[in-house]
Amino acid sequence: AQSVTQLDSQVPVFEEAPVELRCNYSSSVSVYLFWYVQYPNQGLQLLLKYLSGSTLVKGINGFEAEFNKSQTSFHLRKPSVHISDTAEYFCAVSGIGGGNKLTFGTGTQLKVEL
Amino acid sequence: DARVTQTPRDKVTEMGQEVTMRCQPILGHNTVFWYRQTMMQGLELLAYFRNRAPLDDSGMPKDRFSAEMPDATLATLKIQPSEPRDSAVYFCASGLAPGDTEAFFGQGTRLTVV
Repeated sequence: AQSVTQLDSQVPVFEEAPVELRCNYSSSVSVYLFWYVQYPNQGLQLLLKYLSGSTLVKGINGFEAEFNKSQTSFHLRKPSVHISDTAEYFCAVSGIGGGNKLTFGTGTQLKVEL
Repeated sequence: DARVTQTPRDKVTEMGQEVTMRCQPILGHNTVFWYRQTMMQGLELLAYFRNRAPLDDSGMPKDRFSAEMPDATLATLKIQPSEPRDSAVYFCASGLAPGDTEAFFGQGTRLTVV
């Protein structure tokens, strides 16, 4: 079984500032890792995913994440945020060989202010 | 433009009534998930189908919830009888396994039971 911890429920940040959203996971098997974004009244959209290979993964909208196996972390970063990045961000994990079944964290609300 | 389609988008019903939510997965996808999103519990996996067969419905209250896939283009989630605590947003997602690791989400059905 897997679990995901997103330590910050809300992250306020000013526009054009950098941001990091934290994610830690626990699993007894090797995993795939994902970040999804949810805009108000919308479904979840994939930002990026880590399957294997390079630990630095680049996604859409200028986001990137780094997989750190020793720290069991997969933090999401963006060097300069925009108002339109205001949304809820979910970290998720699936066990390799377990199908696409995702276990989600509780989400981090990113609020970008002028 | 391939997408997961869920109907209805919004449903208000009285306690005790039957509720049916429908999902059309992306054509060609063989895996379907039902998730429930609430403020208190976040995103919970209710049921998971592969090639129309249920693989895991351990997250679903069996006494009142049922999930089926009558054919490859339709998944349904029924609640009978509905209760106020069932109020949530229900998401359907589809994917292609093995091989593809991404789950594509629909816009969700917002259910309010009064």
